[in-house]
Amino acid sequence: IQLTQSPSSLSASVGDRVTITCRASQGISSYLAWYQQKPGKAPKLLIYAASTLQSGVPSRFSGSGSGTDFTLTISSLQPEDFAAYYCQQLYSYPLTFGGGTKVEIK
Amino acid sequence: EVHLLESGGGLVQPGGSLRLSCAASGFTFSNYALSWVRQAPGKGLEWVSAISGSGGTTHYADSVKGRFTISRDNSKNMVYLQMNSLRAEDTAVYYCAKQTNQAIFDYWGQGTLVTVSS
Repeated sequence: IQLTQSPSSLSASVGDRVTITCRASQGISSYLAWYQQKPGKAPKLLIYAASTLQSGVPSRFSGSGSGTDFTLTISSLQPEDFAAYYCQQLYSYPLTFGGGTKVEIK
Repeated sequence: EVHLLESGGGLVQPGGSLRLSCAASGFTFSNYALSWVRQAPGKGLEWVSAISGSGGTTHYADSVKGRFTISRDNSKNMVYLQMNSLRAEDTAVYYCAKQTNQAIFDYWGQGTLVTVSS
């Protein structure tokens, strides 16, 4: 199952609303997770089951979607949110990740 | 607290072999599947292989099938990745990741760098 993320990068300012999309090549129900990765660090789980916030993740992060189309939204971008974001499908093996979206400071 | 610590990375020539290890603590090891996920320099994440809690079921990405072997020792809380016939394109940071019962990666190690070069 291929996952296509868009955009591959974006520039935004603190306080902006940011939306990242992830499209699956076939229906995956809600079997999707989102991760954040900062330079030189391991990825961190943000959202699973398409819309369930992992414990400890700020409520400005939210996820939606099912089937083939999914979104990750950051409602008000904070300085610590500048990072790369990846979607991952857990519907079937082989597990796959999207190509990533790099969120940079405008 | 869950902790995963990878080791065994390094420089290896094309065609060579390397074995990565991941030491786990802070959870009931045999109850959970674990995966290896890699990241080539400047690139995105690529899932490599997974092993069930019992070790009886394994999965591989097509890119490594037949060359890499995942295994685990539940008596030592260790998971391994034996990598044979290494290629330049296997150069990456390799992460060990704990899976939930739905193949979500809830904990990750810090990674170990594998460089395949002559």
